[in-house]
Amino acid sequence: DAGVTQSPTHLIKTRGQQVTLRCSPKSGHDTVSWYQQALGQGPQFIFQYYEEEERQRGNFPDRFSGHQFPNYSSELNVNALLLGDSALYLCASSETELDTEAFFGQGTRLTVV
Amino acid sequence: AQKVTQAQTEISVVEKEDVTLDCVYETRDTTYYLFWYKQPPSGELVFLIRRNSFDEQNEISGRYSWNFQKSTSSFNFTITASQVVDSAVYFCALSEEAGGTSYGKLTFGQGTILTVHP
Repeated sequence: DAGVTQSPTHLIKTRGQQVTLRCSPKSGHDTVSWYQQALGQGPQFIFQYYEEEERQRGNFPDRFSGHQFPNYSSELNVNALLLGDSALYLCASSETELDTEAFFGQGTRLTVV
Repeated sequence: AQKVTQAQTEISVVEKEDVTLDCVYETRDTTYYLFWYKQPPSGELVFLIRRNSFDEQNEISGRYSWNFQKSTSSFNFTITASQVVDSAVYFCALSEEAGGTSYGKLTFGQGTILTVHP
C-alpha cells in the first residue's frame, strides 16, 4: 500500500518563476493538506483540500494556490517565486476531513535562486 | 490563536539514557488534539502519538510515554532507554476543531533536535 507520494523530490527555480508541486494521497484518503517547512523551523499550514475545495487556509499570500482532482490527488502552485519561498513542502493526507491522523509524504525541496 | 512552544532546541544524550521532550501549547478551544511527530533526515514526518483534550490519562507505548496535563497546558514526551536510531527532530503539534468541520490544520512547534550518541 503506497503511502503519500510527492513529486518532484527536489526542484530549483529562479526568482519570479512559477512552480507546481504534486501529491498523491495514501490509498483510501480523500483529504490533502500542504505545509511549508523552512530550514530549522516547524511546518506551517498552507491549506487543506477536501471534495476538490479549499476548506481551510493558513496565513499565506494568494501567490500560493492549490487544486484537488477527482482522484483526490493535489497540486500546490506558487507564483512569482521569492527567495523566501525556498523550503521543504510537505503534503499530508487523512482518511476524512474530520480525521485527526495525518500521514506525510517525504516532501519536495524547493530552492529559489 | 493556537500556539505550540518547544523550549528545547537541541538535546544530546548517550544511548540508553531516558530523555524527555517538553511541549507547551495555547488554545481557546475545549476540543483539540495533541500530537508528537518524528522527522528523520529523510524529511518525512512520522506520526508517533496522539491525545485528545478529554483524555488526560498518561500511557506508555513501548519505549514511548507521554505526560498530558491540561492544568499547565503541557504535553511532554519521554523516550526510555534511547537508541541511536531515535536521533531525529521531534515536533509537538496541536489540532483544533475548526467549527466542527475539520481538524486538518496542524500547528507545529519549532522542533527539538535529539541526538543520541553511542
